Amino acid sequence: EPEVTQTPSHQVTQMGQEVILRCVPISNHLYFYWYRQILGQKVEFLVSFYNNEISEKSEIFDDQFSVERPDGSNFTLKIRSTKLEDSAMYFCASTQGQSWGSSPLHFGNGTRLTVT
Amino acid sequence: QKEVEQNSGPLSVPEGAIASLNCTYSDRGSQSFFWYRQYSGKSPELIMSIYSNGDKEDGRFTAQLNKASQYVSLLIRDSQPSDSATYLCAVNRMNRDDKIIFGKGTRLHILP
Repeated sequence: EPEVTQTPSHQVTQMGQEVILRCVPISNHLYFYWYRQILGQKVEFLVSFYNNEISEKSEIFDDQFSVERPDGSNFTLKIRSTKLEDSAMYFCASTQGQSWGSSPLHFGNGTRLTVT
Repeated sequence: QKEVEQNSGPLSVPEGAIASLNCTYSDRGSQSFFWYRQYSGKSPELIMSIYSNGDKEDGRFTAQLNKASQYVSLLIRDSQPSDSATYLCAVNRMNRDDKIIFGKGTRLHILP
């Protein structure tokens, strides 16, 4: 079964450093998402992306965050200057659906980001 | 009012019994509802989608939706120890912004 792949599985970085989290969505999916989950807390929406542009973003997704689809397969999340509170599991997800939210999200295995 | 509410648990159920997980949501215009299972340290895994009122069955799982009451539930029959996980309710807020929003999840513990 096709799956969403994320790399790296674990990233440790120092406060203030830039990190790029990478995702390869399922190949025929059109809608892409980043979610994060701080340890012990709920899965939180960050951003959605369709047709090479951001469709929705949450209040968490401030100017320190950006997303990009640099080629036909990769979907990246960049955090420009990491803070301690950015430590979390970051999940990439994709859907095929005809409209936003009508199809279930297919999640990657996540990248655990630790900011020290 | 929280957008998607779940009892955090833990809910302890004997092996072989029925586990009943509940979820309420605040946006009356929501149209799509999902149940995910999440093992500790892992990503959410889709169990069921439900879009219309009533029951939807898939193997040992039954999702129930009541839009008038803004209530979604998941029943797990013949509970197995491998069902021990956190169950996440997710709702699409199509009338507002089409985000899929998650509840905090209910921890389920199946007692062998």
